[in-house]
Amino acid sequence: KQEVTQIPAALSVPEGENLVLNCSFTDSAIYNLQWFRQDPGKGLTSLLLIQSSQREQTSGRLNASLDKSSGRSTLYIAASQPGDSATYLCAVDSNYQLIWGAGTKLIIKP
Amino acid sequence: GAGVSQSPSNKVTEKGKDVELRCDPISGHTALYWYRQSLGQGLEFLIYFQGNSAPDKSGLPSDRFSAERTGGSVSTLTIQRTQQEDSAVYLCASSPSRGYEPQHFGDGTRLSIL
Repeated sequence: KQEVTQIPAALSVPEGENLVLNCSFTDSAIYNLQWFRQDPGKGLTSLLLIQSSQREQTSGRLNASLDKSSGRSTLYIAASQPGDSATYLCAVDSNYQLIWGAGTKLIIKP
Repeated sequence: GAGVSQSPSNKVTEKGKDVELRCDPISGHTALYWYRQSLGQGLEFLIYFQGNSAPDKSGLPSDRFSAERTGGSVSTLTIQRTQQEDSAVYLCASSPSRGYEPQHFGDGTRLSIL
């Protein structure tokens, strides 16, 4: 059974710092891996999708990597801003389902 | 509209009543997904539609839950004889096809069972 874990559960850093969020999964037979952000009381916004055959994807200040063999993904956020404050969720597409991590709550202090 | 639309945005009902939640996906998206986000439980998959067919219903928590999709577009999630543990935010997502494109989410329906 696929399980997804995110570390840390919460992170608070000063504005301008670069940071890394971690995601690990137990079964490497995945279709893709996606990173989302969720703002309080809102739905989910897709940030990056990495196909199982890919190693990384980039969008603006965000870079996500995927190492399927070790069951790990990282989301790198460069030059963090207060507007980046949100909960970041990692999800693995496995057998028609997205299996979700519990999320990392990120606070960027001005 | 341009995004996934869910209605109602909030629903409060008494235990034992039936509720129906609606999802309007992005036009042209063939894949449609329902998820539930409960306090302390995180996000869980409920059901996936490809067109009007649901290849995977394994995530539905009990036989009180059912879902249908008509015309390859609108989907409804029905919960019969609601229980307090059904209280959660129900999220719908759609994508052009399964797997290759990110899923686009609606803002959800917040369901509260009294």
